[in-house]
Amino acid sequence: NFVLTQPHSVSGSLGKAVTITCTRNGGSIAYNHVQWYQLRPGGSPTTLIYQDSLRPLGVPDRFSGSVGRSSNSASLTITGLKAEDEGNYYCQSYDGTNHGWVFGGGTELTVL
Amino acid sequence: QVQLVESGGGVVQPQRSLRLSCTASGFAFRNFVMNWVRQAPGKGLEWLAIISSDQSHKYYADSVRGRFTVSRDNSKNTLYLQMNNVRSEDTGVYYCARDFQPNIEVIWGRGTQVIVSS
Repeated sequence: NFVLTQPHSVSGSLGKAVTITCTRNGGSIAYNHVQWYQLRPGGSPTTLIYQDSLRPLGVPDRFSGSVGRSSNSASLTITGLKAEDEGNYYCQSYDGTNHGWVFGGGTELTVL
Repeated sequence: QVQLVESGGGVVQPQRSLRLSCTASGFAFRNFVMNWVRQAPGKGLEWLAIISSDQSHKYYADSVRGRFTVSRDNSKNTLYLQMNNVRSEDTGVYYCARDFQPNIEVIWGRGTQVIVSS
């Protein structure tokens, strides 16, 4: 079993960039791919990043994902912040022991 | 287009049962592992259950094991979640999600609301 830890909240100014981290506690972050989801109030989750760094068709290249073995964490970077980026962001990976998904606690993004 | 549509949510009394459905379209449903995920009010996403493409493997979160059962009918492109002995803490929005495959992303449904209340 492992835990994915995200900051509770982050903020950034319009047009600027923010990075949200997702740190794995227990095992290497590289063991299983990391996905990132956006969840706006009243909406349903949408996939921003899958397989650590791939973007689905239709997701702007302002969103990028990476994995850092030295920090044992994954990161989601959003550049050129827009008001519509406000919402909650979740990282997710797969737990081979429990055969299920593990989510981070979520990060609330505020665009100033 | 690729789509997942959940249904079956509603208000249910504690200790009663409810069955959720998730109908898939636009992709080869029978080839994909599927999941159920929920979000309780004011909380984050919680994974609940996973089922293999041929239904031979099923796994559950501790919070629902023994009460919820995941199943699928590949001939109907439909995923199910049978919820028995529901509790107030089962209140939330329930989503189905298509698992990812190499170079194929996770897809989510719009969710169905479940309220457990007497």
